[in-house]
Amino acid sequence: QQQVKQSPQSLIVQKGGISIINCAYENTAFDYFPWYQQFPGKGPALLIAIRPDVSEKKEGRFTISFNKSAKQFSLHIMDSQPGDSATYFCAASGGGSNYKLTFGKGTLLTVNP
Amino acid sequence: GAGVSQSPSNKVTEKGKDVELRCDPISGHTALYWYRQSLGQGLEFLIYFQGNSAPDKSGLPSDRFSAERTGGSVSTLTIQRTQQEDSAVYLCASSWLPQGGELFFGEGSRLTVL
Repeated sequence: QQQVKQSPQSLIVQKGGISIINCAYENTAFDYFPWYQQFPGKGPALLIAIRPDVSEKKEGRFTISFNKSAKQFSLHIMDSQPGDSATYFCAASGGGSNYKLTFGKGTLLTVNP
Repeated sequence: GAGVSQSPSNKVTEKGKDVELRCDPISGHTALYWYRQSLGQGLEFLIYFQGNSAPDKSGLPSDRFSAERTGGSVSTLTIQRTQQEDSAVYLCASSWLPQGGELFFGEGSRLTVL
């Protein structure tokens, strides 16, 4: 049972463009939704996170949009740069297992110069 | 150290051998996690430690997998009688908040079973 579904699997964007990655979840008890960024050979690192009391959170060029009724959330990367090329994972936690993050399968983002 | 340290970074073993993977979390982090990352499969939860106890072992794939944590610090993941399907990157993460907090990941141990 895949509780967090992420799309697309891969994404190619031109420098300066907008990158959009989408995630959908099933468990209505989830109440914490982070995005992690992973560069080759490194462990994932927290990029930005949101809780369902807000519909949007922005940090620099990175924005999370959250739609509670649709059980969906997305990551927008504005003015994408080649240095943003990485694998991005959405995740969720909450309810009785709020210590445990359930991850999506990841999106490989390539930003061409 | 400043971050989560894992060793070995790479391990090649023969099918049927036992392997041990080590994780040294960030000092003071009481929560420790093991995840497995396979190509195209994302990050698969294996086990969660709070202190030295493991209240959630639900992600361990089989009884060939075990883990322990001692002194509320270092953790060891052991895989007995390794199989080719065990080949993956094993990631350790720690956190000072057991609920909904940021996970700090190590760089992983890449296991290849021939």
